[in-house]
Amino acid sequence: QVHLVQSGAEVQKPGASVKVSCKASGYTFTDYYMHWVRQAPGQGLEWMGWININSGGTNYAQKFQGRVTMTGDTSINTAYLDLSGLGSDDTAFYYCARGDVYGDLDDFWGQGTLVTVSS
Amino acid sequence: DIVLTQSPAILSVSPGERATLSCRASQSVPSSFLAWYQQKPGQAPRLIIQGASYRATGIPDRFSGSGSGTDFTLTISRLEPEDFAVYYCQQFGRSRSITFGQGTRLEIK
Repeated sequence: QVHLVQSGAEVQKPGASVKVSCKASGYTFTDYYMHWVRQAPGQGLEWMGWININSGGTNYAQKFQGRVTMTGDTSINTAYLDLSGLGSDDTAFYYCARGDVYGDLDDFWGQGTLVTVSS
Repeated sequence: DIVLTQSPAILSVSPGERATLSCRASQSVPSSFLAWYQQKPGQAPRLIIQGASYRATGIPDRFSGSGSGTDFTLTISRLEPEDFAVYYCQQFGRSRSITFGQGTRLEIK
């Protein structure tokens, strides 16, 4: 069965960067996309972008362009989200979610990683 | 980008009754690319409806989706206690980007 397991909670200072990992199992990692979605406490879902794991191609939401990088390591079936220039409004749960073969969201999500930005 | 507007923001319904949630798009959305998610506190979202009207795997038949173009609806007949949650609509656009509605909180009346 498909599982996405994310790295643990992070506390970062304003201006710093954070890297969140998402280890996939139960399917062929390179056959699917990986999306990243975030959710600030008590707020709605915000899509950040996707990576085509096979080609490495990315599509970032305009809001995050310039400070987000999504990568994948096919040797260990792990996707990564790098977010730089953190501010307090980046405090949120960050979810990885598998994308289907067309790039749309699929039905498999990680458990979420809480990133707290605080001085 | 296409904006999805959900209404109402909060819906209060009694168990056993029917709930109707609305999602309106700022531009036409192909039905194939409209989905609904359910999210409970402390959990990741769960896919309920894909392709506007097709229940995802394991979703009970009291959940149904309908609509086309710019107006879509999620209906939950005979509400069970476990159905009270936040529901989001989501679309996959021509630019291959994704947007979510702001959510509807379904609460027990």
